[in-house]
Amino acid sequence: DIQMTQSPSSLSASVGDRLTITCRASQSISSYLNWYQQKPGKAPKLLIYAASSLQSGVPSRFSGSGSGTDFTLTINSLQPEDFATYYCQQSYSTPVTFGGGTKMEVK
Amino acid sequence: QLQLQESGPGLVTPSETLSLTCTVSGDSISSSGYYWGWIRQPPGKGLEWIGSIYYNGITYYNPSLKSRVTIYADTSKNQFSLKLTSVTAADTAVYYCASPYTSGRLGGPFDYWGQGTLVTVSS
Repeated sequence: DIQMTQSPSSLSASVGDRLTITCRASQSISSYLNWYQQKPGKAPKLLIYAASSLQSGVPSRFSGSGSGTDFTLTINSLQPEDFATYYCQQSYSTPVTFGGGTKMEVK
Repeated sequence: QLQLQESGPGLVTPSETLSLTCTVSGDSISSSGYYWGWIRQPPGKGLEWIGSIYYNGITYYNPSLKSRVTIYADTSKNQFSLKLTSVTAADTAVYYCASPYTSGRLGGPFDYWGQGTLVTVSS
C-alpha cells in the first residue's frame, strides 16, 4: 500500500493568513493526488484533483502543486469558512489511501 | 445532478453483519464507465477506502478488509450495497458511499459523496 503522510497534523491560523499543508507519498504517484476539505458532521468535499487542478466551484485562493512524492495545498488569504480538516488522497493505485488529515483551527 | 444517499441500521451487534445501501439518483449505476464505492471514517479519525464496484459488476476491495467485505449492485433499484461480516467495535464508523464520477477512475478523485451514516458496533 502507498502511505500518505500529511504535515502538520494540526495548526492554528488567523483570517487572512496564507497557509501551506504538505503531503508526502511513500512512493512516486506522479500527479495522482487529490485534496479534500471536511467540516464537522459533513462528507469530504473535493478541492483539488490531479495535484493542481481546481475543482469546479472551489475558490481560487486554494491551489495545489507537486508531483512524484511531495505535494502541497496552499490557501491564500484564509477565510472563516476555510477552518476545517484537510485530507490528501492518492489515486495512483489501489488500495486508495488517504493522509491522516490536517486540522485547521482559529488562532 | 448526481446524488448518493446511504441507508441502513445505525447499530450492529458484535460478530454480526453490517449491511448498508446507497441509493443513487441522477444517473444509472449501470451506465458505462462508472465506479461506485464505500469509504469509512471512525469517530475522530481519518478516511479508509473499503472498496468499489464497477458498472459491470466487477468489484475491488481493500486487502485489509477483503476477507469480510462484499459490495454488490441492484440495478433495478439503482442501488449498490455493502456487507461487512464479523464486525467488532473497530468497525464503528461513519460510512460514506462515494463515486469518482467525473474522472471515471477507480481510485478517484471522489467528487460525489453521500452525507454519511454512523454505524455503531455494540451489544
